[in-house]
Amino acid sequence: KNQVEQSPQSLIILEGKNCTLQCNYTVSPFSNLRWYKQDTGRGPVSLTIMTFSENTKSNGRYTATLDADTKQSSLHITASQLSDSASYICVVPSDNAGNMLTFGGGTRLMVKP
Amino acid sequence: KAGVTQTPRYLIKTRGQQVTLSCSPISGHRSVSWYQQTPGQGLQFLFEYFSETQRNKGNFPGRFSGRQFSNSRSEMNVSTLELGDSALYLCASSLASSGGISYEQYFGPGTRLTVT
Repeated sequence: KNQVEQSPQSLIILEGKNCTLQCNYTVSPFSNLRWYKQDTGRGPVSLTIMTFSENTKSNGRYTATLDADTKQSSLHITASQLSDSASYICVVPSDNAGNMLTFGGGTRLMVKP
Repeated sequence: KAGVTQTPRYLIKTRGQQVTLSCSPISGHRSVSWYQQTPGQGLQFLFEYFSETQRNKGNFPGRFSGRQFSNSRSEMNVSTLELGDSALYLCASSLASSGGISYEQYFGPGTRLTVT
């Protein structure tokens, strides 16, 4: 069964601190892994898309890593800001075309001043 | 370029009724996917339409159906509503996929459906 698991479920950090979110997946066939940010009451917004050949990818203060051998990914947020407060969702397509998405449960991040 | 739009944004229905939600994809996008998001189950894939045909389907009962029009706009219908259908319904669009290339999906703001 295709599964995507994330940890921790929730996280509280102080503004300016760094944090790392984890994602483990058992999806086959594997084509890519995506991290999305979802603000409360809004649709998810893509942060990164990583193919199996990419180990690291950055988008501003967000850096994602992927280990296709262990089927693990992480999202590192540097110098957190209040606007980073959101849910971060790890997503892996379960079809080659990338249109059937399997979602992790998300990590709810709260950044406090 | 305008993003994915969904209407209505909020909806309140009674058990047993039916509802139709609408999604307009980004111009040029031919694939539209629908998702249900609930606090208990998180985000789950409902179905995907491409060129007016349902190409993929998630594990939902037949009460959930959809269609896509020639202009790529899509509608989702839920019949005989149940309390458990209360959720945020998201649609996402992407470019046509071919040759094993996986394109990014762009999500709309969602329709918040409450069933009482």
